[in-house]
Amino acid sequence: EPEVTQTPSHQVTQMGQEVILRCVPISNHLYFYWYRQILGQKVEFLVSFYNNEISEKSEIFDDQFSVERPDGSNFTLKIRSTKLEDSAMYFCASSEGTLKTEAFFGQGTRLTVV
Amino acid sequence: DAKTTQPPSMDCAEGRAANLPCNHSTISGNEYVYWYRQIHSQGPQYIIHGLKNNETNEMASLIITEDRKSSTLILPHATLRDTAVYYCIVRVEDGGATNKLIFGTGTLLAVQP
Repeated sequence: EPEVTQTPSHQVTQMGQEVILRCVPISNHLYFYWYRQILGQKVEFLVSFYNNEISEKSEIFDDQFSVERPDGSNFTLKIRSTKLEDSAMYFCASSEGTLKTEAFFGQGTRLTVV
Repeated sequence: DAKTTQPPSMDCAEGRAANLPCNHSTISGNEYVYWYRQIHSQGPQYIIHGLKNNETNEMASLIITEDRKSSTLILPHATLRDTAVYYCIVRVEDGGATNKLIFGTGTLLAVQP
C-alpha cells in the first residue's frame, strides 16, 4: 500500500538553528500538507500546498516557516530559526484532491529543540 | 467548519463492538463527517467519511442521524490494536483549494482484553 514517508524520525537541534524536515508524499497525489502536534495537545494544521504554491496557511505558519517541493518527489518544511516552542511532532500528509478524499499521513518527525 | 463534541474517553471489551458518538449540531448542508484515528503519536489514519447516508468499509461503519446533527462510528469487533484517539471532523466540501482537517481532542478508546 502506498504511504507517505518522513525523514528523519527524530531530530534534535539547538535553539536558533535551521532545520529541514523531509517528506515523500504518495506519488500521484497533488495536495500536500504539514501538521504539527505539541506533546499532549491537538494536531494542528500548518500549511497546505498545491501546484507549487501555498494554498492555505495557519497563524502558526509565520515567517520562520517555509515549504518547498524541490523536485518531483520531496516536500520539505524548513524552520529558519528554531525556538523551544517549536518542539513537536510534525506530520506530513498528502491527498489526491480536495473533495471527498482522504488525507494520508506520514509517521511524523519528532523535533526537539534544546 | 462545524464544531464537534466527543466524549473524552471510552472503554470497550475486546471482540465487542465499539460505538463512538459525535455531536455536530451546527453542521451545514455541504459539510461531510470524517473520522480519523491516531494510535499513540503515530500519524492520523483515515477511517471513513459520509454526508447523510450510512457508510461501511473494511474498517468501520458510520451511522449519521437523519437530521445530521450527530453520528456514530462503529468498530464491529474491536481488537487491542484499535486502542487509539478517534477524531470526528466536520469539513466543508466546496471544491476549494484546500483540504485541511481541524482536529479536536477526540475520544480515547481503550480496548480492554
